[in-house]
Amino acid sequence: GIQVEQSPPDLILQEGANSTLRCNFSDSVNNLQWFHQNPWGQLINLFYIPSGTKQNGRLSATTVATERYSLLYISSSQTTDSGVYFCAGGDSSYKLIFGSGTRLLVRP
Amino acid sequence: DGGITQSPKYLFRKEGQNVTLSCEQNLNHDAMYWYRQDPGQGLRLIYYSQIVNDFQKGDIAEGYSVSREKKESFPLTVTSAQKNPTAFYLCASGNGQPQHFGDGTRLSIL
Repeated sequence: GIQVEQSPPDLILQEGANSTLRCNFSDSVNNLQWFHQNPWGQLINLFYIPSGTKQNGRLSATTVATERYSLLYISSSQTTDSGVYFCAGGDSSYKLIFGSGTRLLVRP
Repeated sequence: DGGITQSPKYLFRKEGQNVTLSCEQNLNHDAMYWYRQDPGQGLRLIYYSQIVNDFQKGDIAEGYSVSREKKESFPLTVTSAQKNPTAFYLCASGNGQPQHFGDGTRLSIL
């Protein structure tokens, strides 16, 4: 089955810094999502991005489907950005395989 | 409000006991999913259902059972056969992609 690898596993930032999170897939995917899990466990949809680039405020994402990777950019980080960021993808419209996540801590 | 409601938020199971986790959605989504999350790890798929009265096993279905009698509801039963049930359980729904998630149920063993 498809393997999903996320990097880095852990990241500590000073408030205001920028960062890039990466997600690699072992095989082609035709659906891909980025999520933020807050300290209370809630999983928040950030982007549905099987290909191309999208932006939402300080966050943006780019997926290069032909090279089997996706990037999540966080600009001007805030303490509320802390948590775990997951990417998930699959080769069918009904199944998602999750990576192990990137744990982000933004210090004031 | 439209969304996915999971209950209870916290659940405790005694040895040898079956427990059922509730998941209800009012988003008119055809597909519903159950995931398990262990500490420090990503989510793993337990079961999913694409239509009423039909469901398929995911990657870690052993020790779990589900039903899909109504479009809005997809309850998960953690049976006594699941020897390590302590985890965070998340329900999701969608019409294809993207999937939308409930707030989860934390299950612990007494």
